[in-house]
Amino acid sequence: QLQLQESGPGLVKASETLSLTCSVSGGSISSSTYYWGWIRQPPGKGLEWIGNTYSSGSTYYNPSLKSRVTISVDTSKNQLSLKLRSVTAADTAVYFCAREDVLRYFDGSWGSLLDYWGQGTLVTVSS
Amino acid sequence: SSELTQDPAVSVALGQTVRITCQGDSLRSYYASWYQQKPGQAPVLVIYGKNNRPSGIPDRFSGSSSGNTASLTITGAQAEDEADYYCNSRDNSGNHVVFGGGTKLTVL
Repeated sequence: QLQLQESGPGLVKASETLSLTCSVSGGSISSSTYYWGWIRQPPGKGLEWIGNTYSSGSTYYNPSLKSRVTISVDTSKNQLSLKLRSVTAADTAVYFCAREDVLRYFDGSWGSLLDYWGQGTLVTVSS
Repeated sequence: SSELTQDPAVSVALGQTVRITCQGDSLRSYYASWYQQKPGQAPVLVIYGKNNRPSGIPDRFSGSSSGNTASLTITGAQAEDEADYYCNSRDNSGNHVVFGGGTKLTVL
């Protein structure tokens, strides 16, 4: 059974860099058919996609965060990482890592499904 | 702002049927996936594709789509179905994941 576990500081000072790690067990992060990404959820609000990475090395970011985000993979440790620079109070959120599968169906339609999630970690930005 | 639009809140009487909708242009090319999130927990995938349920998801959950609108239907809602529900797909570029704003389901 695939498991994802986020880790990192729960408190980050404003203007500094938020760094989180997602450890994957029960499967390889090097798998060529999945995207691995980060999603966050501010307290009391909805889900916001941050970005993801594919086995090819391609990375994709939410345009609203692109200038501050770096997502990378360490295949030797089976880990996904997130760096978010120049944080403000608006970056206070629960951060989730998740695996995404993108499927093409017989009718030509596509599907994006995030089938495995970490339990999430709360990061608070202090002033 | 989300490129997928959901009603903020919906309520249903215990045992009745409720439909939660998700609208967006990308849904003309993508089937929406649906997630259930209870307080303090990670989202759980409940429906994906045309109408597929992951293992362990009760068959009272079903999905459908028409044009730019996807729907999640709960037939015979139970108290434990009270949760926030989110839809997701990719955007029209195909490069970015998008989520709806979420629907809070109350079971009366």
